[in-house]
Amino acid sequence: EAGVAQSPRYKIIEKRQSVAFWCNPISGHATLYWYQQILGQGPKLLIQFQNNGVVDDSQLPKDRFSAERLKGVDSTLKIQPAKLEDSAVYLCASSPRTGNTGELFFGEGSRLTVL
Amino acid sequence: AQSVAQPEDQVNVAEGNPLTVKCTYSVSGNPYLFWYVQYPNRGLQFLLKYITGDNLVKGSYGFEAEFNKSQTSFHLKKPSALVSDSALYFCAVRWFSSNDYKLSFGAGTTVTVRA
Repeated sequence: EAGVAQSPRYKIIEKRQSVAFWCNPISGHATLYWYQQILGQGPKLLIQFQNNGVVDDSQLPKDRFSAERLKGVDSTLKIQPAKLEDSAVYLCASSPRTGNTGELFFGEGSRLTVL
Repeated sequence: AQSVAQPEDQVNVAEGNPLTVKCTYSVSGNPYLFWYVQYPNRGLQFLLKYITGDNLVKGSYGFEAEFNKSQTSFHLKKPSALVSDSALYFCAVRWFSSNDYKLSFGAGTTVTVRA
């Protein structure tokens, strides 16, 4: 079974530029999550999708971050314009269905450096 | 608010010695608790979970965790550590918000096992 795929693995940009990250979850997984992991901290949930609908985006800085999951499969997370404090690893995770017992399957992450 | 705390930033042990990584939690209702491990430049991998039943939960790679309701703790243990266990470990709790369940992670504990 293929795992969660993310790209790019690494990205370096200047502040105020834009960046986009892509995630392809495990086939058949209805729920998709984007987490932000800042160095020295645990992952923080940014947004949660159930199929192609947003379940929770309360922690997403909507003035600069946006995410979509068209057709309920792949997802894209965008940052525009980027700030220095956005430097982090962006982790995508998926799970089979909402309300499950909690095990998430994570991709390897996309590391963003904002200069 | 639901949360987990990992009181130790780092744990250092010698190979062959017992390993313990501490976690305490705060959650209303019955807790669903998890441990994940993260190797350098990789995503998070699920180790084990507690939902209900036996307080001692066994997981991957010889790890186990003990749920203690009176102490609100869920410590991760391994009887004999290996150098390959050196990694970043996260405790997590499942909680319900905005119409769905999600995981909140602790800040992580870096484990170093010396040969």
